Amino acid sequence: AQSVTQLDSQVPVFEEAPVELRCNYSSSVSVYLFWYVQYPNQGLQLLLKYLSGSTLVKGINGFEAEFNKSQTSFHLRKPSVHISDTAEYFCAVTLDNAGGTSYGKLTFGQGTILTVHP
Amino acid sequence: GAVVSQHPSWVICKSGTSVKIECRSLDFQATTMFWYRQFPKQSLMLMATSNEGSKATYEQGVEKDKFLINHASLTLSTLTVTSAHPEDSSFYICRPPVTQYFGPGTRLTVL
Repeated sequence: AQSVTQLDSQVPVFEEAPVELRCNYSSSVSVYLFWYVQYPNQGLQLLLKYLSGSTLVKGINGFEAEFNKSQTSFHLRKPSVHISDTAEYFCAVTLDNAGGTSYGKLTFGQGTILTVHP
Repeated sequence: GAVVSQHPSWVICKSGTSVKIECRSLDFQATTMFWYRQFPKQSLMLMATSNEGSKATYEQGVEKDKFLINHASLTLSTLTVTSAHPEDSSFYICRPPVTQYFGPGTRLTVL
């Protein structure tokens, strides 16, 4: 079975500073990786995903992530954060893929709370 | 992306009552639906998978008799929390396998 570890439960950072949220996964087979953001009292919003191809994935709101198969990592980065980026971020992994048209059970990491200070 | 709706978005009920949560796929047909639960300040955990035309499959540790899941049609899956108690207070979210997008979630508070 696959698993996901988010190495930091909380990341405080000042506005306009760069940030990296770390995610490592464990799986014996190929995986598909996702980053979601959850604002307080709201549902999950997909930031970006890695399915195949280029290992550098660009998402919404200026975020990007790099898939590193040898290190089994999928770290999320943003070069300059805003106050509005304050939220909880979840890394997730799935093994299932029915020809690219189906995304199976997602396993989530524990979440990282990003707090951007002025 | 595919659009999924949930109803209600927020519900408060008394302990011992049952609550039904609906998850609808608005512009596509879904033969299965994943149901997740998120306790306050915790991550999402898969509870069960509803299947159109067959019984739902539950994850280990999830009580089948307490969380009744029904895939009523190709556009509707429901989760009923029976005899709800305060410890069932959580955020319940559905997601069809055809998309990486989640429904907006239902916040259940049991008093």
